[in-house]
Amino acid sequence: AQSVTQLDSQVPVFEEAPVELRCNYSSSVSVYLFWYVQYPNQGLQLLLKYLSGSTLVKGINGFEAEFNKSQTSFHLRKPSVHISDTAEYFCALHQGGSEKLVFGKGTKLTVNP
Amino acid sequence: KAGVTQTPRYLIKTRGQQVTLSCSPISGHRSVSWYQQTPGQGLQFLFEYFSETQRNKGNFPGRFSGRQFSNSRSEMNVSTLELGDSALYLCASSFDRADTQYFGPGTRLTVL
Repeated sequence: AQSVTQLDSQVPVFEEAPVELRCNYSSSVSVYLFWYVQYPNQGLQLLLKYLSGSTLVKGINGFEAEFNKSQTSFHLRKPSVHISDTAEYFCALHQGGSEKLVFGKGTKLTVNP
Repeated sequence: KAGVTQTPRYLIKTRGQQVTLSCSPISGHRSVSWYQQTPGQGLQFLFEYFSETQRNKGNFPGRFSGRQFSNSRSEMNVSTLELGDSALYLCASSFDRADTQYFGPGTRLTVL
């Protein structure tokens, strides 16, 4: 069965500092990987996705992620965060041919001034 | 294009009642999936519909059901509500089954 592990439940950082949110996955077949962001009292917004091709994926709001098949990881990075990046971030996988997304437990990013 | 819309945004019900939530997908999207989000269990897949047919179902009791109409709009129903059904219910649409899913704002259900 597939699973997604987000290693940090909470990540506090200062404004303009770099951040990395870690995500590891487990699957016996090829997968598609996603990062979603959820702001308070809102739904999920797609940040970026890896389907195939280049392992470095760029998304919205200056975020990027790198797919590493050998380490089964898909870590999310941003070189300089803003207060407005404070939100919960979810890593998810989608097994090819399957309808459902499997989510990690989420990482709450808090950006402090 | 308009995004995924869900109605109502907030609901308060009492135990034993039933509730129906509605989801309108992005225009042209044929697949609609439902997820339940709770602090304890996180995001869990409920079911997915495509062309009015349920193609996959998560591990939820039969009190949770859904349907999809010919215009791809979907509803989910929860009967005999329990306190543990309090959650944010999210709907997502995609063009087809393996495509990127786009989420609506969710319906916050509170069961008293």
